[in-house]
Amino acid sequence: GESVGLHLPTLSVQEGDNSIINCAYSNSASDYFIWYKQESGKGPQFIIDIRSNMDKRQGQRVTVLLNKTVKHLSLQIAATQPGDSAVYFCAESWGAQKLVFGQGTRLTINP
Amino acid sequence: DAGVIQSPRHEVTEMGQEVTLRCKPISGHNSLFWYRQTMMRGLELLIYFNNNVPIDDSGMPEDRFSAKMPNASFSTLKIQPSEPRDSAVYFCASSRGVGGPQHFGDGTRLSIL
Repeated sequence: GESVGLHLPTLSVQEGDNSIINCAYSNSASDYFIWYKQESGKGPQFIIDIRSNMDKRQGQRVTVLLNKTVKHLSLQIAATQPGDSAVYFCAESWGAQKLVFGQGTRLTINP
Repeated sequence: DAGVIQSPRHEVTEMGQEVTLRCKPISGHNSLFWYRQTMMRGLELLIYFNNNVPIDDSGMPEDRFSAKMPNASFSTLKIQPSEPRDSAVYFCASSRGVGGPQHFGDGTRLSIL
């Protein structure tokens, strides 16, 4: 049988709706944050990053919001498409040190 | 542009055998990372190099694991002897600077029987 493993948080959204994936980070000294997308059978893929001197950054269909007061990071995906189905990881670093990854959130798209 | 290249993509071998995983980082990237991903433990950093020098190997699970980076364009992760609990997907990533955005390869799926 299958071993007990990580229970990833799961977010299910309707195709065409906006998705918001949240991440609580651990270190108040963190000054750099990244969102990654991992599709089945592939490595994590860089989506967007943000530095601590900003609170919002936009890319193509994606927006990252940073709230340093509560140590919270979010990824907003506009008009979610079937190809957005994946596991999404946030990662943080401080002082140009190595990235520390979160556990991930699984995003599923309902047709 | 070529991304991070890992080989082999899949490896199935019997316990006790030596396993060597290979990675070619993106040209111009001076930091290289080895990760292991399992259902039980998620994505774990095993070791990373900066300018070909190992900086932090605290994530390497046991002495059976070793990693080398003989030059800026090649790294290996070796497991000897391998055990069934080493079965996982092993990722290599590279970046320009340790804290910069890491770019991942597509991983090696390792199965130890």
